[in-house]
Amino acid sequence: QVQLVQSGAELKRPGSSVRVSCRVSGGSFTTSSFSWVRQAPGQGLEWMGRIIPILNVANYTEKFQARIKISGDRSTNTAYMELRSLRFDDTAVYYCARDWGISWAFDNWGQGTPVTVSS
Amino acid sequence: DIQMTQSPSSLSASVGDRVTMSCRASQSIDIHLNWYQQKPGKVPKLLIHGASTLQSGVPSRFSGSRSGTDFTLTISGLQPEDFATYFCQQGYSSPQTFGPGTKVEVK
Repeated sequence: QVQLVQSGAELKRPGSSVRVSCRVSGGSFTTSSFSWVRQAPGQGLEWMGRIIPILNVANYTEKFQARIKISGDRSTNTAYMELRSLRFDDTAVYYCARDWGISWAFDNWGQGTPVTVSS
Repeated sequence: DIQMTQSPSSLSASVGDRVTMSCRASQSIDIHLNWYQQKPGKVPKLLIHGASTLQSGVPSRFSGSRSGTDFTLTISGLQPEDFATYFCQQGYSSPQTFGPGTKVEVK
């Protein structure tokens, strides 16, 4: 059974950076890809990008392209998402999720990491 | 980017009701439409992938269908644990995009 365990809540100042980790257990880190999805308070879900660990390739949605980095560490089966130049509207719960199937569904999710951007 | 719309934004229903909600894609996405259930403060849960395939472990009262770019999620016999928000998501092209959700509330 695949489990994704994320790092804890973060409180950040505007203009700073945040790095969220997602440790994958139960296998599949190098046979899957992993996405990052965020959800602002009371809002919907927004896909940010993904990492393909076996290729060490990441791709991002255009909205975040300039200030996001998604990476993976195959030695620890951990994916990372770093978001720079934080703004107030980056306050959200950030999820990692495993990509699955030909329809690119997200079948396993981390527990979510709340990131609050506040001065 | 492919835009996803959902209707209604919310609905009120009673236990035992048959509930349907819709999701529409702004262009063809073939069958690559997935449905999720999310309860307040909880992680989204995959219900249906590929428009109509039930994810393992999901009760059979949930079903999905497709007509062109229109997709429907049906709950046949609403249960107390089904009051939640339901999101659709297209996996046809990057960036994957989600609909804004349909909230199922107690009538």
